[in-house]
Amino acid sequence: DAKTTQPPSMDCAEGRAANLPCNHSTISGNEYVYWYRQIHSQGPQYIIHGLKNNETNEMASLIITEDRKSSTLILPHATLRDTAVYYCIVRVEGSSNTGKLIFGQGTTLQVKP
Amino acid sequence: NAGVMQNPRHLVRRRGQEARLRCSPMKGHSHVYWYRQLPEEGLKFMVYLQKENIIDESGMPKERFSAEFPKEGPSILRIQQVVRGDSAAYFCASSQVSYEQYFGPGTRLTVT
Repeated sequence: DAKTTQPPSMDCAEGRAANLPCNHSTISGNEYVYWYRQIHSQGPQYIIHGLKNNETNEMASLIITEDRKSSTLILPHATLRDTAVYYCIVRVEGSSNTGKLIFGQGTTLQVKP
Repeated sequence: NAGVMQNPRHLVRRRGQEARLRCSPMKGHSHVYWYRQLPEEGLKFMVYLQKENIIDESGMPKERFSAEFPKEGPSILRIQQVVRGDSAAYFCASSQVSYEQYFGPGTRLTVT
């Protein structure tokens, strides 16, 4: 699985959009970009994933550059409850041989009032 | 639709005892993964199982740790002869095939 690079920490004002970047310059053509977050000591929470098209769900939007070497997770209106560590992970989807997620250090997002 | 369930949520064991951690996947999910998070560290993959099969155990310590996912019942992560270094949060996740994984709340193991 390709390696990802994220800034260690970011701040965001409550109510503003939080834009979390991720670099994955060695991503392969069949690797998806996944985002998870871990709030305090809870279990990681799946947010969104995509291959090459931009994706949006009720939690966030995922913007993937055309060359797929980087992506941005967007939380449109951050709240205090969005304070968490955010992980960007790339992996092959749908293969029965490659299930594991490889978590890096992630980005600690602090949403401030 | 109930999420991934783990029990117990907290487990205290003395050195040398056995720890058994249970994970019930989401309904319809036949793939289970175990991860460990040591204090102040990141999440590390341990093992990936399908019903009655271990698919990938590349993250499991070579000794004292074992995992199973029987045809009926929950997945079990078993740690024999626990040591203080086993104190950690153990998270289970489940998925359909190998798509997005949904995590349980974790079991916090404390070895005294």
